[in-house]
Amino acid sequence: EVQLLESGGGLVQPGGSLRLSCAASGFTFVGYAMSWVRQAPGKGLEWVSGIRSSDGSTHYADSVKGRFTISRDNSENTLYLQMNSLRAEDTAVYYCAKETISGSWYGMDVWGQGTTVTVSS
Amino acid sequence: DIQMTQSPSSVSASVGDRVTITCRASQGINNWLAWYQQKPGKAPKLLIYVASSLQSGVPSRFSGSGSGTDFTLTISSLQPEDFATYYCQQANSFPLTFGQGTRLEIK
Repeated sequence: EVQLLESGGGLVQPGGSLRLSCAASGFTFVGYAMSWVRQAPGKGLEWVSGIRSSDGSTHYADSVKGRFTISRDNSENTLYLQMNSLRAEDTAVYYCAKETISGSWYGMDVWGQGTTVTVSS
Repeated sequence: DIQMTQSPSSVSASVGDRVTITCRASQGINNWLAWYQQKPGKAPKLLIYVASSLQSGVPSRFSGSGSGTDFTLTISSLQPEDFATYYCQQANSFPLTFGQGTRLEIK
């Protein structure tokens, strides 16, 4: 079964850091681009960051550029999101998601269950 | 950044109705558009990619069309399980962006 399992969410103070992890199974992780997408309470979906496996290229939303870092460990089938200088507006459910077609960006067909990040003092 | 605008923001319909949701991009995105369905408390589900390709396992009552800046998602005959929120997403350039969502409610 194709599966993504996020972990690492929690309550953090403004200015703090968290590292999210996403463990992948059931597919050839190395072949697919991956993204983090978040959803603030009662709001819509916001793409946060993406990483392609073939060349390691990374991309970020303007709202997180310079504060968040996406990475992947293809030997461990795991995707990461290092989040620094967290702000109240980063409070959201964070999903990891897999692209539907190997190698590029078409649409995300497999999603994790989400992990909740709350930034509050 | 490419802005994605969906209309309507919400729509009420009945089982068996045909429903169309529109998504407009602020600049041309060729056919690099995906549609998702999301139910409360659940992760999104991919319905359509590259504007009109039906994702495996998605019922054929869902269809997508369009190219350039204007796209539509059509549900040909609403079923009870289709009441949800729908999002478009452009995959043409970074940052990837979503529309604000269209809530489909039971009339």
